[in-house]
Amino acid sequence: KNQVEQSPQSLIILEGKNCTLQCNYTVSPFSNLRWYKQDTGRGPVSLTIMTFSENTKSNGRYTATLDADTKQSSLHITASQLSDSASYICVVSDTGANSKLTFGKGITLSVRP
Amino acid sequence: EPEVTQTPSHQVTQMGQEVILRCVPISNHLYFYWYRQILGQKVEFLVSFYNNEISEKSEIFDDQFSVERPDGSNFTLKIRSTKLEDSAMYFCASSVQGTKYEQFFGPGTRLTVL
Repeated sequence: KNQVEQSPQSLIILEGKNCTLQCNYTVSPFSNLRWYKQDTGRGPVSLTIMTFSENTKSNGRYTATLDADTKQSSLHITASQLSDSASYICVVSDTGANSKLTFGKGITLSVRP
Repeated sequence: EPEVTQTPSHQVTQMGQEVILRCVPISNHLYFYWYRQILGQKVEFLVSFYNNEISEKSEIFDDQFSVERPDGSNFTLKIRSTKLEDSAMYFCASSVQGTKYEQFFGPGTRLTVL
């Protein structure tokens, strides 16, 4: 069964600090991995999408890495801001004409002043 | 910037009643999806829709659920006889092509079944 596991479950950091969020997956066959940011009560917003051949991708202060061999990904947030407080969800897509997305439970990040 | 819209933002209904949740996908997108998120839990796939038919559905999407695109712009999710456990946020999403491409999510409809 395809699964996506994220850690830690929640994280509190001070404004301006960096943090790294982890994702492990057992989705096969693998197509791509995405990180989404979800503010409370809102829909997820895509941050990055990485395919098998990509091992890093940046979007502003967000940098995602992918190790397809170990089936691990990380999302690094640099110089955190109060607006970064949200849930960060790792999502993996399998291949095929009718591929589906498998969602992780998300990591709740709280950035404190 | 084009975005996916959903109405209503919050729907309260009595158990056993029918509800219709509405979505307007981004205009040039061809693939449409419904997801749900029970409070405190992860987002779960319900159904994908392409070329006016269901292309994939999960085990959650049983006979109580149906989807349609009645007029070429709206994309609806109908729950025929709601249960308490249907209470959740329902997200619509759309993408230009299939699942390999970025999906854009709407703001969600919070469904509360009493």
